[in-house]
Amino acid sequence: DAGVIQSPRHEVTEMGQEVTLRCKPISGHNSLFWYRQTMMRGLELLIYFNNNVPIDDSGMPEDRFSAKMPNASFSTLKIQPSEPRDSAVYFCASSRRTGEVGEQYFGPGTRLTVT
Amino acid sequence: LAKTTQPISMDSYEGQEVNITCSHNNIATNDYITWYQQFPSQGPRFIIQGYKTKVTNEVASLFIPADRKSSTLSLPRVSLSDTAVYYCLVGDGFTGGGNKLTFGTGTQLKVEL
Repeated sequence: DAGVIQSPRHEVTEMGQEVTLRCKPISGHNSLFWYRQTMMRGLELLIYFNNNVPIDDSGMPEDRFSAKMPNASFSTLKIQPSEPRDSAVYFCASSRRTGEVGEQYFGPGTRLTVT
Repeated sequence: LAKTTQPISMDSYEGQEVNITCSHNNIATNDYITWYQQFPSQGPRFIIQGYKTKVTNEVASLFIPADRKSSTLSLPRVSLSDTAVYYCLVGDGFTGGGNKLTFGTGTQLKVEL
C-alpha cells in the first residue's frame, strides 16, 4: 500500500496567488481529513469528508480556503488568494469509517511558503 | 471541543518506562481517547486508542481510569528512536454527540543515552 499521497511536497508562492494542494487517500478508506500545522497553532483540523461529502468544515479559516473531494480517490485544498499567514505544513489523512473514531493515516504533508 | 492538557516536555533515558498523562475533564460519553506520535517533518502516526480501562498493543499501553477524565500512555523501555511529540486526542470524530477530534499541543519526549 502506497499510503496517503500528497503533492506537491513543497510549494513556494507569492502573496495573492492561488495555491492548490492535492491528496490521494488510501484505497478503501471512506474518510479524508485536511489539517494545517504551524508552530503557533499546532495541528488544526480544517475539514473532513466522509464518503466524499464534507461533514465538518468549521475549521476552515476563511472563505479564501476551499476543499473538494470529487471522488473517493482524490481531494484538493485550494487557497485563493494566498497570504503569508497561510504558510504552514498541510497534512492530508484518511481512515476507514468504522462507526467510531478510527485510526487516521497521515500523508507526508505539503510545506507551503507564501512570500 | 474536548480540551486536553499534557506536559509540554519530558526527558527520559534509554531502557526506561515513560508514562505521559493527559487530562480531559470534559470528555463526553461517546468520546474515545487516541494517542499519536509525530517525528519532525512527518505526519502523525497512530499509536493506540481506547475507551475505558486498559488497552495494550505491541508498542504501548493506555490506562484509562473509571471516570475517564484522564489517560496515561505508557511506553515500555524507550529508545532513542522514541524521541518525538506525542499527542492525546479526545473525541468521537463522526458519530456526533461527542467532541470533535482535536490535537492538543502535545508532549515533546526526549530520550537520551
